[in-house]
Amino acid sequence: EDKVVQSPLSLVVHEGDTVTLNCSYEVTNFRSLLWYKQEKKAPTFLFMLTSSGIEKKSGRLSSILDKKELFSILNITATQTGDSAIYLCAVERGNAGNMLTFGGGTRLMVKP
Amino acid sequence: DAGITQSPRYKITETGRQVTLMCHQTWSHSYMFWYRQDLGHGLRLIYYSAAADITDKGEVPDGYVVSRSKTENFPLTLESATRSQTSVYFCASMSAGIPETQYFGPGTRLLVL
Repeated sequence: EDKVVQSPLSLVVHEGDTVTLNCSYEVTNFRSLLWYKQEKKAPTFLFMLTSSGIEKKSGRLSSILDKKELFSILNITATQTGDSAIYLCAVERGNAGNMLTFGGGTRLMVKP
Repeated sequence: DAGITQSPRYKITETGRQVTLMCHQTWSHSYMFWYRQDLGHGLRLIYYSAAADITDKGEVPDGYVVSRSKTENFPLTLESATRSQTSVYFCASMSAGIPETQYFGPGTRLLVL
């Protein structure tokens, strides 16, 4: 059975801290891994990763994929209160019509 | 309005009633999805549709029915609502073959009493 597991479940940090969120997966016919940010509404797309070892970066957020060890990390440096959200990881399977299998999410709270 | 919309945004119903959640997108995306989100489970796929008149089950389809007579609409019906269907429901649409274009609607919060 396909599985996407995120850790930690929740995290509380202070502004300025750096955080690392983890996503491990076991899926058949892996095609890509996507990260989303969800505040009090719909998830919004952050990154899509398809190749191992190539970092994707957007401002203070970055992400990398390891296809050998089957995991991805999302780093946020110099956290701000606006980074408080649920971060979702999803895996796209190539044999499943672009369907995404989501992990349970990591709830991040950044305190001032 | 451009984008993807859902209605109603909030709904309270009783066990055994039929409820339909509406989803409408203006991008002419071929794919549409229904997810439910519960604490600790992330997003779980209920049903998806690759095109008009083509629908398929996702991970948790039991108790739900969908239809897609037009590309832009993808209603989700709970035929006989149960308390376990209390959840937040998200509709999404996507351009075929481009997963990063999967955009989510604002969600419908459903409470079944």
